Amino acid sequence: DQQVKQNSPSLSVQEGRISILNCDYTNSMFDYFLWYKKYPAEGPTFLISISSIKDKNEDGRFTVFLNKSAKHLSLHIVPSQPGDSAVYFCAASGGNGNKLVFGAGTILRVKS
Amino acid sequence: DAGVIQSPRHEVTEMGQEVTLRCKPISGHDYLFWYRQTMMRGLELLIYFNNNVPIDDSGMPEDRFSAKMPNASFSTLKIQPSEPRDSAVYFCASSPVSYEQYFGPGTRLTVT
Repeated sequence: DQQVKQNSPSLSVQEGRISILNCDYTNSMFDYFLWYKKYPAEGPTFLISISSIKDKNEDGRFTVFLNKSAKHLSLHIVPSQPGDSAVYFCAASGGNGNKLVFGAGTILRVKS
Repeated sequence: DAGVIQSPRHEVTEMGQEVTLRCKPISGHDYLFWYRQTMMRGLELLIYFNNNVPIDDSGMPEDRFSAKMPNASFSTLKIQPSEPRDSAVYFCASSPVSYEQYFGPGTRLTVT
């Protein structure tokens, strides 16, 4: 039973355009959400997070939006750069200590 | 700060052999996590520790898997006996008292 779903295995975007990565969750106990980025042969690195008391969090080119009623969050990258090409994991936590539940990941390719 | 250190980076072994993966967390981090990444299931949490004590091992697939944390600076994940389906990338992550986890580079395990 996948509690965190990233339904798009891959996404291809032109450099300079917006990249939108989506994530859905099923557990209403989740109250904190994170995005991680992973390059080949490296471990995932933390990118941005959002608490359930907010609906938007912004950090430079990266913005995460949370729609609690739809149990949906998205990561926007504007403008996209070739160095953003990586696997992006959505993760969620809530009511169970520091345990994170990860989605399967979305491969983002930014074409120059 | 050296980050989370994992060894070995690559391990190739034959079915039935014992495999031991090692992790040194970031100093001062109270939480340590072991994950497995596969194409089919993405990032799965196997077990996590808080202050060297195992808190949740519900993700450990079978009795063939065991994990220990004898002190705050060292943890092992052991598979005995190993099987081809155990082939995956195994990540160790550590965390202070927050949701943000810091991942090591991973160990790529191949069981033939």
